[in-house]
Amino acid sequence: DAGITQSPRYKITETGRQVTLMCHQTWSHSYMFWYRQDLGHGLRLIYYSAAADITDKGEVPDGYVVSRSKTENFPLTLESATRSQTSVYFCASSGADRVSYEQYFGPGTRLTVT
Amino acid sequence: AQSVSQHNHHVILSEAASLELGCNYSYGGTVNLFWYVQYPGQHLQLLLKYFSGDPLVKGIKGFEAEFIKSKFSFNLRKPSVQWSDTAEYFCAVALNSGGYQKVTFGTGTKLQVIP
Repeated sequence: DAGITQSPRYKITETGRQVTLMCHQTWSHSYMFWYRQDLGHGLRLIYYSAAADITDKGEVPDGYVVSRSKTENFPLTLESATRSQTSVYFCASSGADRVSYEQYFGPGTRLTVT
Repeated sequence: AQSVSQHNHHVILSEAASLELGCNYSYGGTVNLFWYVQYPGQHLQLLLKYFSGDPLVKGIKGFEAEFIKSKFSFNLRKPSVQWSDTAEYFCAVALNSGGYQKVTFGTGTKLQVIP
């Protein structure tokens, strides 16, 4: 039972390159989220998705693109990476039950943009 | 817009000391409240949650939190910390916004427990 996985776990890329971070969950959760974690800022929501083909912006969406063609996958793309996007990225998922907003987090991807 | 404040950014305690981490939120409606923990090098895990009922919530590893609606607070407590509690702790608030979940995290409190 894999739960929620992210790949790659570590990535170094150059400024201006396109990078895609993958997120996969095995629970068929409706909601999926992308956060970035930076020192002094805690967790900030980049994008979220309520279901397949439904996505919406979070607090810091600029420079990122998401898609959700299948319920289990929620890739995050940095269209043209910048140094300010160096961060740890966490994917999370949550069930459709409105009472249970508990989120389950993946192991994270540490991205360095040089 | 809702916001979550964790006033303690870094807390250092000796083993067996008591712990209380503050969490305040700004939303006046019905909320669900969470504490998550992130151990060094690991992903976030749920520590405890409050949805309704008894405002004193007990979680894993001896942690508890009290929801005080009048103070918009959800402080985390543990009577006696252990070295293994060294981690970063995040408070989170969730509300139903237009049919969708909206979850806001605090900036986190780093707890360092000295043996």
